[in-house]
Amino acid sequence: DAGVIQSPRHEVTEMGQEVTLRCKPISGHDYLFWYRQTMMRGLELLIYFNNNVPIDDSGMPEDRFSAKMPNASFSTLKIQPSEPRDSAVYFCASSLQGFNYEQYFGPGTRLTVT
Amino acid sequence: GENVEQHPSTLSVQEGDSAVIKCTYSDSASNYFPWYKQELGKGPQLIIDIRSNVGEKKDQRIAVTLNKTAKHFSLHITETQPEDSAVYFCAARWGGGADGLTFGKGTHLIIQP
Repeated sequence: DAGVIQSPRHEVTEMGQEVTLRCKPISGHDYLFWYRQTMMRGLELLIYFNNNVPIDDSGMPEDRFSAKMPNASFSTLKIQPSEPRDSAVYFCASSLQGFNYEQYFGPGTRLTVT
Repeated sequence: GENVEQHPSTLSVQEGDSAVIKCTYSDSASNYFPWYKQELGKGPQLIIDIRSNVGEKKDQRIAVTLNKTAKHFSLHITETQPEDSAVYFCAARWGGGADGLTFGKGTHLIIQP
């Protein structure tokens, strides 16, 4: 398996623009997680899905952030409008059986908002 | 929610020596404690995990210990090698109804040749 795939790997955008991050989980995994990593706050869970259904989005910072999972092999995290404080590395991870089992992380998307 | 403290933030050891990273957690109901290794430019990768019904687990040069009474758990790496250089994260899973993992802030382990 190719592992969790994320695109783009790097994204540079101007404040106010819409940003869409993409994730393809490992085939057969039914949990998908979106994390954000910054120096100040470390690794934070934003939202997670089980069988394509959002279960907990309490980590989403504000209404500018939204996530979807239209099918088992694809998820997006959208920021609209983007702000400089959104600059971070965003990771997608997938798991076969939820939190008590290994989460496989993608390589991340490094987002820079100027 | 859960709160996880991790120490030290940076650890430098001589190649061949042992390294120990410690974490404490706040929620006594937490029941799952994984450790992840993150190399530069990559996502975190699970290296070992332990559940609350076990006190110690070992996998070759890596071991994790859990003290439920004191609410702390530690990662031990013996006979360190250059490829062990990375950032290590501990995490704890809330046991109080929510499902999430809370991560520590990470330890940058540097193996000196």
